[in-house]
Amino acid sequence: NAGVTQTPKFRVLKTGQSMTLLCAQDMNHEYMYWYRQDPGMGLRLIHYSVGEGTTAKGEVPDGYNVSRLKKQNFLLGLESAAPSQTSVYFCASSPWGENQPQHFGDGTRLSIL
Amino acid sequence: QQQVKQSPQSLIVQKGGISIINCAYENTAFDYFPWYQQFPGKGPALLIAIRPDVSEKKEGRFTISFNKSAKQFSLHIMDSQPGDSATYFCAARISGGYQKVTFGTGTKLQVIP
Repeated sequence: NAGVTQTPKFRVLKTGQSMTLLCAQDMNHEYMYWYRQDPGMGLRLIHYSVGEGTTAKGEVPDGYNVSRLKKQNFLLGLESAAPSQTSVYFCASSPWGENQPQHFGDGTRLSIL
Repeated sequence: QQQVKQSPQSLIVQKGGISIINCAYENTAFDYFPWYQQFPGKGPALLIAIRPDVSEKKEGRFTISFNKSAKQFSLHIMDSQPGDSATYFCAARISGGYQKVTFGTGTKLQVIP
């Protein structure tokens, strides 16, 4: 059981380039989330999805877009990367139900030059 | 706007000692308080969680103490071990919020021999 898998693990971009981060979960979870983790700021929610075909904005959505065409996949896109988007990005998933934990991937370390 | 405040930012404890991490929240709609543990290069993983209708929850060497009137909760790690060295995040969730949680800023714990 792989759990939550994030691709790629590392990436370096130039300002203005675009890219897509892929998150895949094999636990049949309904909910999926994208966070960014920055020193001293904890984890901040970018976007989330409560089911296939649905997405919603989180705390820091600007500059990012997401899609969830299949239940097991949640894509995070950067259309025009900026240095301020240098961060570690985590994807998580959670099943429906009371007090269910979020299961995290191991992150994507993204540097924007 | 930091809805969950966490302290200290870093903590050094001797092996066998007690590690204490504190969190405070403002939103009384929070109804579930998980703690996550994160090792370097890995995603956070659920450690222990508590609901506000109990004042304490213990799992092995890890205990959450909860003070609803003060809107504070804390994690105690008894008999701290070098293997406990990690970053710890407190979090809070609003009921009916699709399992979305608001994270604290994290505490980096180092347990020295």
